[in-house]
Amino acid sequence: DAKTTQPPSMDCAEGRAANLPCNHSTISGNEYVYWYRQIHSQGPQYIIHGLKNNETNEMASLIITEDRKSSTLILPHATLRDTAVYYCIVLNAGNNRKLIWGLGTSLAVNP
Amino acid sequence: DGGITQSPKYLFRKEGQNVTLSCEQNLNHDAMYWYRQDPGQGLRLIYYSQIVNDFQKGDIAEGYSVSREKKESFPLTVTSAQKNPTAFYLCASTKTRTGELFFGEGSRLTVL
Repeated sequence: DAKTTQPPSMDCAEGRAANLPCNHSTISGNEYVYWYRQIHSQGPQYIIHGLKNNETNEMASLIITEDRKSSTLILPHATLRDTAVYYCIVLNAGNNRKLIWGLGTSLAVNP
Repeated sequence: DGGITQSPKYLFRKEGQNVTLSCEQNLNHDAMYWYRQDPGQGLRLIYYSQIVNDFQKGDIAEGYSVSREKKESFPLTVTSAQKNPTAFYLCASTKTRTGELFFGEGSRLTVL
């Protein structure tokens, strides 16, 4: 199963876009890219996922490169409540059990 | 509102005691999972269940036990055989094996 690489920490000014990168160079054709976030001492929260195409929902946008080896999660207007650890995960289509959770990126949104 | 409820939120246990963590969901999800999270580490899978009366070991099942007698409930017992039980425990569920995970708020277990 593909692993992901994320920067350990990032900062972002409130109101600005937060762009969180993720490398998944060994991703295979049937593997999805999922993003979750975890606010301190709470359960992780699903944000968005994609396979090939860019995706957008009310929380964020997901940009996946054409070769699928990397992706970027975009929070268009970060708020203080977006301060959290963000996990990029590659999921083998057909088995949630195969999720490999790394350490994620700790995003600090500053006033 | 639908969701996953874990209880208790905080639990203290003496060494040698078993403790059971509750996980209940009203999302009508088929699959349920238990994860453990330690400081500075990612989530690790303890047990999972795809259907009632069936469950499978995850990556770190030793010292833990589960049951799945009802679709809504997936309790986790931390036994005295678990050598380092102090951790943050998270329960999750999905409608299908590929769907997004919905998590509870977690249970923090401390062994005194």
